[in-house]
Amino acid sequence: NAGVTQTPKFRILKIGQSMTLQCTQDMNHNYMYWYRQDPGMGLKLIYYSVGAGITDKGEVPNGYNVSRSTTEDFPLRLELAAPSQTSVYFCASRRDRGQLDTEAFFGQGTRLTVV
Amino acid sequence: GQNIDQPTEMTATEGAIVQINCTYQTSGFNGLFWYQQHAGEAPTFLSYNVLDGLEEKGRFSSFLSRSKGYSYLLLKELQMKDSASYLCAARDDKIIFGKGTRLHILP
Repeated sequence: NAGVTQTPKFRILKIGQSMTLQCTQDMNHNYMYWYRQDPGMGLKLIYYSVGAGITDKGEVPNGYNVSRSTTEDFPLRLELAAPSQTSVYFCASRRDRGQLDTEAFFGQGTRLTVV
Repeated sequence: GQNIDQPTEMTATEGAIVQINCTYQTSGFNGLFWYQQHAGEAPTFLSYNVLDGLEEKGRFSSFLSRSKGYSYLLLKELQMKDSASYLCAARDDKIIFGKGTRLHILP
């Protein structure tokens, strides 16, 4: 049971380049989330998904896209990288069981620098 | 809208008790999380409150008042390893985090 796996762990992009951050979970969780965390700050929600085929915007979606074709995978796409997207990106998942809910599990993060 | 407030920084002494407060105003609410995050690492789960009252887990306790939009995390018998950021988060379908409270422990 690997939990939530993010790849790559580190990446340097040039301005205008594109890339996909991968996120996979093997816990059969229906909910998945993407966050970014700037230095010394909290987590900002980019996009989330309540199940395969369903995605919705979070607090800071501009410049990003997501897809959820399977329960396991929730990739985050940056189309035209900008320096403002330099951040640490975390993926998380949880199983929604109403009031019996437990925690969201986080991946180890992707440290992205745009130069 | 979503608004979650917690103090930016706190300092406490090893062996003491510290309480970190969190207030929230969210359009939907189904529970409140507390996470711990050490520098350079992913957040790790501490507690989850869905009903009013106190949940105790060893040295850590968390309290929720839904009518007041208020929660706190209580850390007892502080240890140096408790130096970290503590993140409050409110959930419905989304999970929205506060900016985190950086806790410094002095020997």
